[in-house]
Amino acid sequence: DTAVSQTPKYLVTQMGNDKSIKCEQNLGHDTMYWYKQDSKKFLKIMFSYNNKELIINETVPNRFSPKSPDKAHLNLHINSLELGDSAVYFCASSLLVGGNEQFFGPGTRLTVL
Amino acid sequence: AQSVTQLGSHVSVSEGALVLLRCNYSSSVPPYLFWYVQYPNQGLQLLLKYTTGATLVKGINGFEAEFKKSETSFHLTKPSAHMSDAAEYFCAVSGGNAGNMLTFGGGTRLMVKP
Repeated sequence: DTAVSQTPKYLVTQMGNDKSIKCEQNLGHDTMYWYKQDSKKFLKIMFSYNNKELIINETVPNRFSPKSPDKAHLNLHINSLELGDSAVYFCASSLLVGGNEQFFGPGTRLTVL
Repeated sequence: AQSVTQLGSHVSVSEGALVLLRCNYSSSVPPYLFWYVQYPNQGLQLLLKYTTGATLVKGINGFEAEFKKSETSFHLTKPSAHMSDAAEYFCAVSGGNAGNMLTFGGGTRLMVKP
């Protein structure tokens, strides 16, 4: 059974389009995250979200918006895609308590042309 | 604010040799420390973590790391490298005001020569 799954695995689109990436976890975790990995493999947190609170990283443009229909899902919607948005996006989940392992999805490779 | 520095973006060792990947962190509060491994075109997998207690932490695949508060380090070691260890390794820290969000180092690519 896949613990954290993401769809699609690959996403190729034109500049200016709007796209969404879906994430689901079946671990019963209460916190989910989105990370961005750039072409140099650098990983950076974008959002942390649980039932009660969305924590937004201040460096993330407001074109990016997480949406959580329920505790097991955290989708990432991106408006007006730009070339610089090309990256691999990872979803992760964990229990909220500090120090707990985060389980990562397989990633979505987004290419903006 | 927290930060993580991994010395050496690329490390090359021979099969059977010692693996040492360096990680230093800065944190204003006692941190939680992690090492993750990323194989090509895959997500991240936890190797080991330090939260409290014993400062020498053993993980999967024969890896271990030692938390040294005085040196603000959490270096990753493995006595004998295997070809299958070739991957990207990330050190990460969480805790304090950042909650459970991870701050990652820049990553170290480990290459293993036959």
